[in-house]
Amino acid sequence: DVKVTQSSRYLVKRTGEKVFLECVQDMDHENMFWYRQDPGLGLRLIYFSYDVKMKEKGDIPEGYSVSREKKERFSLILESASTNQTSMYLCASSFRGLAISSYEQYFGPGTRLTVT
Amino acid sequence: AQSVTQLDSHVSVSEGTPVLLRCNYSSSYSPSLFWYVQHPNKGLQLLLKYTSAATLVKGINGFEAEFKKSETSFHLTKPSAHMSDAAEYFCVVSRSNDYKLSFGAGTTVTVRA
Repeated sequence: DVKVTQSSRYLVKRTGEKVFLECVQDMDHENMFWYRQDPGLGLRLIYFSYDVKMKEKGDIPEGYSVSREKKERFSLILESASTNQTSMYLCASSFRGLAISSYEQYFGPGTRLTVT
Repeated sequence: AQSVTQLDSHVSVSEGTPVLLRCNYSSSYSPSLFWYVQHPNKGLQLLLKYTSAATLVKGINGFEAEFKKSETSFHLTKPSAHMSDAAEYFCVVSRSNDYKLSFGAGTTVTVRA
């Protein structure tokens, strides 16, 4: 059974703290993604990684950074957490092949982050 | 640019009655389309996907969707709703020439006993 796991289900942090969200996949997927999910907005892409040490900004990268040192692990970093980063964060992974647009993404359970 | 519009933010049905979730997309090429479901406090699970083969796509749990290019629609249906279908549903379109996806805002389904 394929699996994407996230380090925490719930997290409460204070404004200004540095926050690390970890994601691990066991499917040997090349692509990994970080999204945030807010009511009425669907999922918005923060960052995308297509290989170890490779990353690409998504639609809303401001205030975030990422790290991918190993193929199976993709970390999202909030350098200085702010209250407007309170949200559900979802990690996903997908296969990288020739039919570029046809590969579904597999999602983790999410981390609900509250910044106070 | 590719985008998705889910026409209903909330749908309420009685158990045993049909479910229809509407989705329109815009794309400058032939996209792949997906429906995902998210149950409370869970991650997203793939229901079905369209990738330019048959236009009527069958998915898990009795769901199916029909791709209509002329109407740029990809509506999701199920003939008979079950209580376990209560969840949020996302219509998703692939972006051209990369692996990214664009998500609709979601439709919350409530099933009444």
